Amino acid sequence: GDSVTQMEGPVTLSEEAFLTINCTYTATGYPSLFWYVQYPGEGLQLLLKATKADDKGSNKGFEATYRKETTSFHLEKGSVQVSDSAVYFCALKADSWGKFQFGAGTQVVVTP
Amino acid sequence: DAGVIQSPRHEVTEMGQEVTLRCKPISGHNSLFWYRQTMMRGLELLIYFNNNVPIDDSGMPEDRFSAKMPNASFSTLKIQPSEPRDSAVYFCASSSHNQPQHFGDGTRLSIL
Repeated sequence: GDSVTQMEGPVTLSEEAFLTINCTYTATGYPSLFWYVQYPGEGLQLLLKATKADDKGSNKGFEATYRKETTSFHLEKGSVQVSDSAVYFCALKADSWGKFQFGAGTQVVVTP
Repeated sequence: DAGVIQSPRHEVTEMGQEVTLRCKPISGHNSLFWYRQTMMRGLELLIYFNNNVPIDDSGMPEDRFSAKMPNASFSTLKIQPSEPRDSAVYFCASSSHNQPQHFGDGTRLSIL
């Protein structure tokens, strides 16, 4: 079945550092791909999405490119802030009803 | 626009009691999802509905768990009887076809 694998956390980095969170997927066909962010005590929020190969999703300085050849959707940000500390989830749309397959989540801690 | 609304935000009860969690999806969304999140098991999909009909309940852990969606604007997740191992954050999410899921802020459930 469909699955999403993302790098384990926690990822700890200093403010203004470069962030990469790796995400790879296994799926039949070419599903839509998503990154969600969860701040402490809150629900998951959509961060960005890409619906077809070579699409680049971007939002709030974060970017991810849908790479069909490597079945990857890595999340990047050039200069993180303390406020980016959160758990990040990679996900794919798994069926026509809107079911998502989520990765395990990666905790990111940004220190001043 | 109002997002997904869950109630209560927090629930503390003794084991053996019945617990009912409530969710109001975003108006116009036709799919609804119930998740459970714990440190040990991460984010788990329990059940999801499309047009008020349950599509897949294979994630429901035991017969003590049940979910209903009597109309397009309301769903419940019931645990009877509750046990300490049911303690978790329960999320409801909704979506319309081909769109990302929108999450509520969750219900933090503690069973003593």
